[in-house]
Amino acid sequence: ETGVTQSPTHLIKTRGQQVTLRCSSQSGHNTVSWYQQALGQGPQFIFQYYREEENGRGNFPPRFSGLQFPNYSSELNVNALELDDSALYLCASSQLRAGELFFGEGSRLTVL
Amino acid sequence: AQTVTQSQPEMSVQEAETVTLSCTYDTSESDYYLFWYKQPPSRQMILVIRQEAYKQQNATENRFSVNFQKAAKSFSLKISDSQLGDAAMYFCAYRSLPHYGGSQGNLIFGKGTKLSVKP
Repeated sequence: ETGVTQSPTHLIKTRGQQVTLRCSSQSGHNTVSWYQQALGQGPQFIFQYYREEENGRGNFPPRFSGLQFPNYSSELNVNALELDDSALYLCASSQLRAGELFFGEGSRLTVL
Repeated sequence: AQTVTQSQPEMSVQEAETVTLSCTYDTSESDYYLFWYKQPPSRQMILVIRQEAYKQQNATENRFSVNFQKAAKSFSLKISDSQLGDAAMYFCAYRSLPHYGGSQGNLIFGKGTKLSVKP
């Protein structure tokens, strides 16, 4: 059984640029969600996708957007990067009505 | 809105001994999930244990067990026979059932407790 995989693992961008992070869900999972984890903090919910549609969103501005593909993989896009966007971005997959989420290893984004 | 509070930023335990990590939460819902996740320096969030709120019996997974006090909204994690590999950040998390409206069933995390294990 393949777990949740994310790419890239690390990346550095400059303020104002755009970034795309990718996630492959665990086999059999139809829901993917994204979390932002600032240094020393717990993860914060960004949004969740089910059947290629966003079905939940946290307190993040519209410049954070996403996609889910028919194979349940997903992308997180962030436009007009700000210094505060520097964080670990975690992808998690699950079945829609299951309890726990299964996480990838994250993508560490640094914005200079 | 639901909140999760972990009041111990750091804890330390001697190898082979027992440690308890505290977590409290606030919710108006009657049914939900609670979790403890472990995050080692490798960054991946690993599920340690889960508890469904409708179950009165405390969950147990090998050396890990919880003390779930629903009325007090408390959910502590006990690690017995601590091992060096237990050293990590531990996050308590709450999840609504998907049929409850606004939160859409996302995880709400506490700020974490950093556990150190001394040899």
